[in-house]
Amino acid sequence: GAVVSQHPSWVICKSGTSVKIECRSLDFQATTMFWYRQFPKQSLMLMATSNEGSKATYEQGVEKDKFLINHASLTLSTLTVTSAHPEDSSFYICSARESSSGRVGSYNEQFFGPGTRLTVL
Amino acid sequence: KNQVEQSPQSLIILEGKNCTLQCNYTVSPFSNLRWYKQDTGRGPVSLTIMTFSENTKSNGRYTATLDADTKQSSLHITASQLSDSASYICVVSGGGSYIPTFGRGTSLIVHP
Repeated sequence: GAVVSQHPSWVICKSGTSVKIECRSLDFQATTMFWYRQFPKQSLMLMATSNEGSKATYEQGVEKDKFLINHASLTLSTLTVTSAHPEDSSFYICSARESSSGRVGSYNEQFFGPGTRLTVL
Repeated sequence: KNQVEQSPQSLIILEGKNCTLQCNYTVSPFSNLRWYKQDTGRGPVSLTIMTFSENTKSNGRYTATLDADTKQSSLHITASQLSDSASYICVVSGGGSYIPTFGRGTSLIVHP
């Protein structure tokens, strides 16, 4: 099956520091990765879409200079929350979509990571 | 505008009982519909996926239905277990975008 991992699973940091979250597709190549944010008892909110080797596309209202996304390889994307503040505390989830020539998923299925809980003090 | 509405927002049932969750969507043109289960503090896990030509899909105790004419889907859970307590999210793909539209989810609590 298709497995997506995230690291770390949870992180606590002081206000003003930067935090990097990694998203890896373990057994398939992901042309596209998505980053979501989820507040308690709410649905996933898409933050940005990243394609390998190109700049990420951010959703309206998401600051690209605050949430830096890098998708340097077909199996790794990173989200860096720069100068984090308490209001950035949330559950961050990534998903990966297999490349068009893949064999794992179907119908452009997205495979989700387990999420990263960020708490900014 | 592509939208996915789920009901009820939350549901509490006793262990062993059946329940049905609803999903209505306006996404057009329609590509596929997925139901995900999300445990608290975890990422979503796919339960079923249906395309336009499919009207029923089962995965163990989970059975999803799709009526593409009325743009409605349901997820039926049979003989509920405590481990079924989770959020169930309906996700519809299509609408001229490769980015799917997420519903807000139904929070299900199964009590012993």
